[in-house]
Amino acid sequence: QSALTQPASVSGSPGQSITISCTGTSSDVGNYNFVSWYQQHPGKAPKLMIYEDIKRPSGVSNRFSGSKSVNTASLTVSGLLAEDEADYYCCSYAGSGTFVFGGGTKVTVL
Amino acid sequence: QVQLVESGGGVVQPGGSLRLSCAASGFIFSNYGMHWVRQAPGKGLEWLSFTWGDGSNKFYADSVKGRFTISKDNSKNTLYLQMNSLRVEDTAVYYCAKDATGEYTFDYWGQGILVTVSS
Repeated sequence: QSALTQPASVSGSPGQSITISCTGTSSDVGNYNFVSWYQQHPGKAPKLMIYEDIKRPSGVSNRFSGSKSVNTASLTVSGLLAEDEADYYCCSYAGSGTFVFGGGTKVTVL
Repeated sequence: QVQLVESGGGVVQPGGSLRLSCAASGFIFSNYGMHWVRQAPGKGLEWLSFTWGDGSNKFYADSVKGRFTISKDNSKNTLYLQMNSLRVEDTAVYYCAKDATGEYTFDYWGQGILVTVSS
């Protein structure tokens, strides 16, 4: 149950696009189509942004999109807004009823 | 609307026990699995445990296996986490989260409850 690997920080200017990577293994990210992404503002509970690798829950802006290639999933935020400044976590199903999170990425809007 | 409210946190000495509760409303509790996730101060999220909707199957992270027990009382719409043999490193905000059945996703989260393990 090793944590997924995310960059510690990513930054971008308003209106730009950023991409956060999430690297796992063939036992988790690469073995299931069950990567999800969560946004967390300081002092708040996480919020689901993407599920099943690429699906967006109703109510989440279409500026958020997910993708995956082999063992690496990615979250792209386009048209960056000040309100997108937050911590982002990926999570993958790892089999046998278990899950593993990434270490988190702090997104800064310059 | 879905609501999850944790309670039972506080300060406990190393080696002690604590039971967290998560009161659920706004959905048919017995139809959904539930998770516990924690976040140590200034750190990332860590998945801890998952139980099926009927409470029949339970799964744990290695870090808490044998010390923590998840349970679900569908008659009270409440999820529990019994934490024994607590360690300083268990200090964290603990969240309960609803499972989006079939999607292996945490679609709703509680506000979190702080557990501090300290002498």
